[in-house]
Amino acid sequence: EAGVTQFPSHSVIEKGQTVTLRCDPISGHDNLYWYRRVMGKEIKFLLHFVKESKQDESGMPNNRFLAERTGGTYSTLKVQPAELEDSGVYFCASSQATAYNSPLHFGNGTRLTVT
Amino acid sequence: ILNVEQSPQSLHVQEGDSTNFTCSFPSSNFYALHWYRWETAKSPEALFVMTLNGDEKKKGRISATLNTKEGYSYLYIKGSQPEDSATYLCAFAPAGGTSYGKLTFGQGTILTVHP
Repeated sequence: EAGVTQFPSHSVIEKGQTVTLRCDPISGHDNLYWYRRVMGKEIKFLLHFVKESKQDESGMPNNRFLAERTGGTYSTLKVQPAELEDSGVYFCASSQATAYNSPLHFGNGTRLTVT
Repeated sequence: ILNVEQSPQSLHVQEGDSTNFTCSFPSSNFYALHWYRWETAKSPEALFVMTLNGDEKKKGRISATLNTKEGYSYLYIKGSQPEDSATYLCAFAPAGGTSYGKLTFGQGTILTVHP
């Protein structure tokens, strides 16, 4: 089975620009998560989709971040406008059941650098 | 705010040594504890999902124990090999969450196994 794929693997943008990250979960996984790791810190939760619905977006830092999962398949995470503190590695993960009972399958991440 | 602490932060061992590290988490409102292995330039890979006090799980030379009453889990590696070099992450899921999808990660233990 194909794993979780994320695109792009790296992105370097200037402050004020817009970036859109994409995640394709494992086929059949209703649960999709976005996490972020800022340099030197722990991986932090951003949000959780169940199919196309946002189940929990309590980790989204502010309204510059917008996540969508149209049709319950792939997901996008848009940062507009990007700020320096948005730099980090953005991970997408998916699971069959929720994370409370099921391991997360992670993608390789998108390394975002805002200059 | 949930605190998940991992110790030590980093560990250097010789090939063949056995090693262990700790994950501490809030002992109240426990639901599940995850362990992940994260090699550089790859995606975090699930090792174990543990839910019951006293749980012991094993995967090859790696095993984990869980004590939910005192709020800790140990990860053991027997006969470490250079390919075991990675960051080992634990992640906590509290009971009573609204989405059953939000994990709180520790900062990880970086293991280096020297040939």
